[in-house]
Amino acid sequence: DIQMTQSPSSLSASVGDRVTITCRATQSISSYLNWYQQKPGKAPKLLIYVASGLQSGVPSRFSGSGSGTDFTLTISSLQPEDFATYYCQQSYSPPLTFGGGTQVEIK
Amino acid sequence: QVQLVESGGGLVKPGGSLRLSCATSGFAFSDYYMSWIRQAPGKGLEWLSYINDSSDTIYYADSVKGRVTISRDNAKNSLFLQMNSLRAEDTAVYYCARLKFRELLFDNWGQGTLVTVSS
Repeated sequence: DIQMTQSPSSLSASVGDRVTITCRATQSISSYLNWYQQKPGKAPKLLIYVASGLQSGVPSRFSGSGSGTDFTLTISSLQPEDFATYYCQQSYSPPLTFGGGTQVEIK
Repeated sequence: QVQLVESGGGLVKPGGSLRLSCATSGFAFSDYYMSWIRQAPGKGLEWLSYINDSSDTIYYADSVKGRVTISRDNAKNSLFLQMNSLRAEDTAVYYCARLKFRELLFDNWGQGTLVTVSS
């Protein structure tokens, strides 16, 4: 099975900061990596698909990059509504594993 | 718009069974793969299972294999998860999600239903 490791597990940042979250797979997954945002008490929401595709309706301050085993999610200028937990998910092969999550908190 | 509404959660004793349902609307259900994902309290997301559009391809996570069965009724636009031999560690919010089959990503989620396994 492919394991996904996110780092950091949490971070504190201020509005306007640039934030980068990383996700690493235990084997190459090409570009089959997706990112989700989850706010407390809510279902996750798809942000980025296939490493760098921006889901419809998602603000352009979100971007994704990477291929193979190493991927990043970047928020170019953190907004108040971006404080949430972010998960990566590999879609290369079942089981469809998620990273452990990165909680973005207000500094 | 796409809607997925889970039901069937609740309190069940260890060793018991529960059947979760996911009623869908706003899209051609029979054209889509579907999936179940859960989240234990305060924990991350755990994919459990997916089923293809015609029910002839099914995958399970090792953590639930042999104890859960995913199924669907395309005539009723509904997805199901039969869970048996429930354990305390199965306590979680259970989400159904629409799966975009080429990319195997979850593009729409329900609001979740809470399953609590406790004596």
